[in-house]
Amino acid sequence: SYVLTQSPSVSVAPGQTARLTCGESDIGRKSVHWYQQKPGQAPVLVIHYDGDRPSGIPDRFSGSNSGNTATLTISRVEAGDEADYYCQVWDNDRGIFGGGTKLIVL
Amino acid sequence: QVQLQQWGAGLLKPSETMSLTCAVYGGSFTGYHWSWIRQPPGKGLEWIGEVSPSGGTKYNPSLKSRVTTLIDTSKNQFSLKLTSVAAADTAVYYCAMSYDSTGSFDYWGQGTLVSVSS
Repeated sequence: SYVLTQSPSVSVAPGQTARLTCGESDIGRKSVHWYQQKPGQAPVLVIHYDGDRPSGIPDRFSGSNSGNTATLTISRVEAGDEADYYCQVWDNDRGIFGGGTKLIVL
Repeated sequence: QVQLQQWGAGLLKPSETMSLTCAVYGGSFTGYHWSWIRQPPGKGLEWIGEVSPSGGTKYNPSLKSRVTTLIDTSKNQFSLKLTSVAAADTAVYYCAMSYDSTGSFDYWGQGTLVSVSS
């Protein structure tokens, strides 16, 4: 079965760049979507179709996808970016989420 | 701006049937795909299933035998039924909208905590 692998946590200082990865064999052949979830809130779409930003999402958020790894990059990290981030794809008519990465802003 | 508002019973006993409804406001209802996603306390997201504009359905194989999703275009609503619930079904349940069958979940409901306990 298709399993998306995300690191449990990533720590970064304010103003620095965070790179969150989502891995699976040949994920580059699929469209990857990324969601941000803050405690007690519903997830929010921050990147879809590998690297497109929905309206209202700051340009500090970007995405890429190639080979076996998709990456969500958050530039100039702010305290408000601290959250859980989930990647998601479709495989054989089934929606699949990664286990999530907790972004910790030091 | 599309808004999804969901409701349903929050406390169930084992073996009962869970029923949730999601209403869509502020946008077109037809032509989009409507999903249900859940999140057990302290854990990650799990896709449950989807109903398409035509009423066709797709389900997570792990839940398929217990899940039904329906669409009511006359009310701009869609629903989820999960039979024979157990403690492992305790989770926050979200409804969500996609523009197509392999797209992102662009809009989400506020979530409903469903607890299963005897």
